[in-house]
Amino acid sequence: GNSVTQMEGPVTLSEEAFLTINCTYTATGYPSLFWYVQYPGEGLQLLLKATKADDKGSNKGFEATYRKETTSFHLEKGSVQVSDSAVYFCALSERGAQKLVFGQGTRLTINP
Amino acid sequence: DVKVTQSSRYLVKRTGEKVFLECVQDMDHENMFWYRQDPGLGLRLIYFSYDVKMKEKGDIPEGYSVSREKKERFSLILESASTNQTSMYLCASSGTGWGNTGELFFGEGSRLTVL
Repeated sequence: GNSVTQMEGPVTLSEEAFLTINCTYTATGYPSLFWYVQYPGEGLQLLLKATKADDKGSNKGFEATYRKETTSFHLEKGSVQVSDSAVYFCALSERGAQKLVFGQGTRLTINP
Repeated sequence: DVKVTQSSRYLVKRTGEKVFLECVQDMDHENMFWYRQDPGLGLRLIYFSYDVKMKEKGDIPEGYSVSREKKERFSLILESASTNQTSMYLCASSGTGWGNTGELFFGEGSRLTVL
């Protein structure tokens, strides 16, 4: 079946550091890929998405590129801020399937 | 502004009580979902619904049931709460149709503690 594997956390960085959170997936067909973010005390909100191979999703300085050859969708940001502290979830959706499959989440803490 | 609203942010219940978690969306979405979130386990799908009065089991349906009498409302029911159901419960919705990518819109979550 479909699955998503994220790098284990927690991840702790200093402000302005470079961030990478790894995400790989297993899926049949051509999934859409997502990164969701959950700030403390809140529900999940969509951070970015990509719907086909080589697409790059971007938002709030975060980027992720849909790599079909390596089945990956790694999240990156060049310079993190304290306000980026949150839990990040990678997810996939098979086209037409309507359900999302989530990774286990990665907790990110940014220290000033 | 699109919205998914969960009726209770925090609940404390006793073992054996019946618990109702309510979720309402204002986006006219066909699909609605209940997930459970636990540390280290990510989000696990309990039940989902493609249409009014339709329901499908997710990955962990045991101990739960659902109700969808109206398109905008999807309720999660714990018939007899147990301590291992202490968790964060997240409701979500999504649309259908050509071009839909499966993006989910989430509520803020309901944190349930069963004593």
